[in-house]
Amino acid sequence: GENVEQHPSTLSVQEGDSAVIKCTYSDSASNYFPWYKQELGKGPQLIIDIRSNVGEKKDQRIAVTLNKTAKHFSLHITETQPEDSAVYFCAVTPGGYQKVTFGTGTKLQVIP
Amino acid sequence: GAVVSQHPSRVICKSGTSVKIECRSLDFQATTMFWYRQFPKQSLMLMATSNEGSKATYEQGVEKDKFLINHASLTLSTLTVTSAHPEDSSFYICSASDSGTTQETQYFGPGTRLLVL
Repeated sequence: GENVEQHPSTLSVQEGDSAVIKCTYSDSASNYFPWYKQELGKGPQLIIDIRSNVGEKKDQRIAVTLNKTAKHFSLHITETQPEDSAVYFCAVTPGGYQKVTFGTGTKLQVIP
Repeated sequence: GAVVSQHPSRVICKSGTSVKIECRSLDFQATTMFWYRQFPKQSLMLMATSNEGSKATYEQGVEKDKFLINHASLTLSTLTVTSAHPEDSSFYICSASDSGTTQETQYFGPGTRLLVL
């Protein structure tokens, strides 16, 4: 089955700095890569996603890059703010209605 | 955006009782819904895939007789934890894919905190 590794497990940055979270996966059939933000006691919220025919996608302060050859993708958050503090999960799926495999999560702390 | 609700948000029950959790897609139809379980400080673990009008598909190690799933309509899936025990205490989260648009995107509910005493 699919194996997704996520690093780092915890990340502390000063407000205004950038944060980068990386994920690797094993199944070359995977072609959809969403990122979720989960605040304490809440369900995951989709923040950005990328499909295998795209190498990079940006939405304001958030960007995701994908290297399908190397089977890794990364989340980039620029100009971090305290409200960015949360747990971030990468995820991988072959697409369609097939199940999603989640990374182990990264706890991001933005220090004011 | 697509909204998924769950009810109840938290429930406390006695050991041996059954608990039903509802997952609804509020503004879209969902042929497929997913049920996850999450322990503190851990990632989401897929329990089962719920398919409208057919039997759910359970992940390896998940007891189908323990965790009953019903997906009777395109907007509602239910998870019933039968004969709950303290080890069933966890955060249960559902997700749904919009059947009418992009199939890959899963939208998550707010979760249900279950505590079995």
